Amino acid sequence: DTEVTQTPKHLVMGMTNKKSLKCEQHMGHRAMYWYKQKAKKPPELMFVYSYEKLSINESVPSRFSPECPNSSLLNLHLHALQPEDSALYLCASSHTLQGEDTGELFFGEGSRLTVL
Amino acid sequence: RKEVEQDPGPFNVPEGATVAFNCTYSNSASQSFFWYRQDCRKEPKLLMSVYSSGNEDGRFTAQLNRASQYISLLIRDSKLSDSATYLCVVTSQTGGYQKVTFGIGTKLQVIP
Repeated sequence: DTEVTQTPKHLVMGMTNKKSLKCEQHMGHRAMYWYKQKAKKPPELMFVYSYEKLSINESVPSRFSPECPNSSLLNLHLHALQPEDSALYLCASSHTLQGEDTGELFFGEGSRLTVL
Repeated sequence: RKEVEQDPGPFNVPEGATVAFNCTYSNSASQSFFWYRQDCRKEPKLLMSVYSSGNEDGRFTAQLNRASQYISLLIRDSKLSDSATYLCVVTSQTGGYQKVTFGIGTKLQVIP
């Protein structure tokens, strides 16, 4: 069982829809990540939040908008997506040891997104 | 050159066999190293961390060679349930967080 919870598990949306993916962890991790994974490819980093601040945006299109309301929650707002955005979206948090991020990632089960 | 390189396989091995995967990384300042396992249509799960002294967990042994910049994973007495993709992960410190880089993954298929 994962300690990172993602909802919804599956999402089908049209190109004009607005939807959000949600992620929650209660392990006290201070770094949270969004990854996108296509079939037979490794996870591809989208965003990193460190101490609730956006640290990294890997040149992700603006139709993806992340939000970190607090240290336990991470959202990904979706608007005007394209069919090629269909993928598994993985949230992860990173283990912290003595205040330092270890890079040891704990993943949620992912949200499988289909854009029609 | 890719930051983290792995042979994508697939490696098809019979049950009971020993199989080894290697992974090379390009950033000599890399700090932490991990092997993750990913089953089809599931999320990656941490298999083990990798240390210079080597570490073993049951049938799994991981090794790090900093001089040659590679890490390895050895699986002994392969089980059908070991069939999965094994992702090599390398991290480096960037600002206040660890930049995490994934290899492409090595697919293992254990056959009866």
